[in-house]
Amino acid sequence: DTAVSQTPKYLVTQMGNDKSIKCEQNLGHDTMYWYKQDSKKFLKIMFSYNNKELIINETVPNRFSPKSPDKAHLNLHINSLELGDSAVYFCASSQVLGSQSSYNSPLHFGNGTRLTVT
Amino acid sequence: QQPVQSPQAVILREGEDAVINCSSSKALYSVHWYRQKHGEAPVFLMILLKGGEQKGHEKISASFNEKKQQSSLYLTASQLSYSGTYFCGTVIKAAGNKLTFGGGTRVLVKP
Repeated sequence: DTAVSQTPKYLVTQMGNDKSIKCEQNLGHDTMYWYKQDSKKFLKIMFSYNNKELIINETVPNRFSPKSPDKAHLNLHINSLELGDSAVYFCASSQVLGSQSSYNSPLHFGNGTRLTVT
Repeated sequence: QQPVQSPQAVILREGEDAVINCSSSKALYSVHWYRQKHGEAPVFLMILLKGGEQKGHEKISASFNEKKQQSSLYLTASQLSYSGTYFCGTVIKAAGNKLTFGGGTRVLVKP
């Protein structure tokens, strides 16, 4: 069973289009994340949700809108795609222990979605 | 607030040792280490929470110097399977839950 699964694995689209990436985790974790990995392999956090509540929202263009219908799912919708959005997008989850922050919890990553905007 | 990793890349022969360093300009709650193989997702190796803490995963170990805000990852008697990009991630005390990754260190182990 895949712990954190993302779909699609590959996404090729043209500038100006709108696309969505879906993520689901079956680990029972209550915190989920979106990370972006650019061509230089730099991993940058975009968003984090804890029990469907947005807790981290980095400086990301408004064209990116995450949605968490329940704590097992976190989707990413991107409007008006631009060339610079081309990257690998990773979903991840972790278990926050009690009232502690997630600093002591390992991240479990999905296999990534390679987005190519032409 | 991004931690700084060094070196950026290292090439080893099987059986050789290497050290990857990770440093932060801010006080840290914790340091995470992950390994990412080409075309795959990053995989968790270990978390260090306390100054002076050391941990191990196979023949890979790490230490955390809380006072210097530094961590080091030690690859001992490297194997071909150790090839990949190693990322340290830090959670800064002033930044809540956010795990921020360094730029990565590419490790290539040759036969």
